Amino acid sequence: GENVEQHPSTLSVQEGDSAVIKCTYSDSASNYFPWYKQELGKRPQLIIDIRSNVGEKKDQRIAVTLNKTAKHFSLHITETQPEDSAVYFCAASLVKRFGAGTRLTVKP
Amino acid sequence: KAGVTQTPRYLIKTRGQQVTLSCSPISGHRSVSWYQQTPGQGLQFLFEYFSETQRNKGNFPGRFSGRQFSNSRSEMNVSTLELGDSALYLCASSLGGGGGTYEQYFGPGTRLTVT
Repeated sequence: GENVEQHPSTLSVQEGDSAVIKCTYSDSASNYFPWYKQELGKRPQLIIDIRSNVGEKKDQRIAVTLNKTAKHFSLHITETQPEDSAVYFCAASLVKRFGAGTRLTVKP
Repeated sequence: KAGVTQTPRYLIKTRGQQVTLSCSPISGHRSVSWYQQTPGQGLQFLFEYFSETQRNKGNFPGRFSGRQFSNSRSEMNVSTLELGDSALYLCASSLGGGGGTYEQYFGPGTRLTVT
């Protein structure tokens, strides 16, 4: 079945720096790759997603890139702010497998 | 539109008991998925229902079951509870359709504690 690996498990950056989180998946039939942000005590919320016919998508300070050949996709956050601190999850859609999550801490 | 709702929000049960959790999706959404979230295991997929049929299933024992009603509301049942079932149970709804390419909206979760 589908397996989604996410790295790193924790990431600490200074405010204003960039953060990159990477995921790999195993099922080449997966065609939808969402990223969720979960703040402490809250539900996961979709922040950006990408479909397999697109290599990159950007929304203000957040971008996602997809390499279908290598079966990996990444979340890029630029100009990080303290409110970006949360746990981020990637997912591969076909069988709804989530990565283990990355705890991002942005230090002011 | 109202968001995804889950009831109850908190539940304490004893080992060996059974529990039923409920999820009401966003109006118009036909797919409901259930996840178990624990600190060590992240978000684990339990199953997905679409138009009252189970469409996908994760790797959980048969003690975990679910169903979906004609109004798309879904219930999840766990029988013979074990201590390890203590977790946050999240449901998520989406428009559905094939390929799982619709974004999911999560409910607030039900915090289940098994003692």
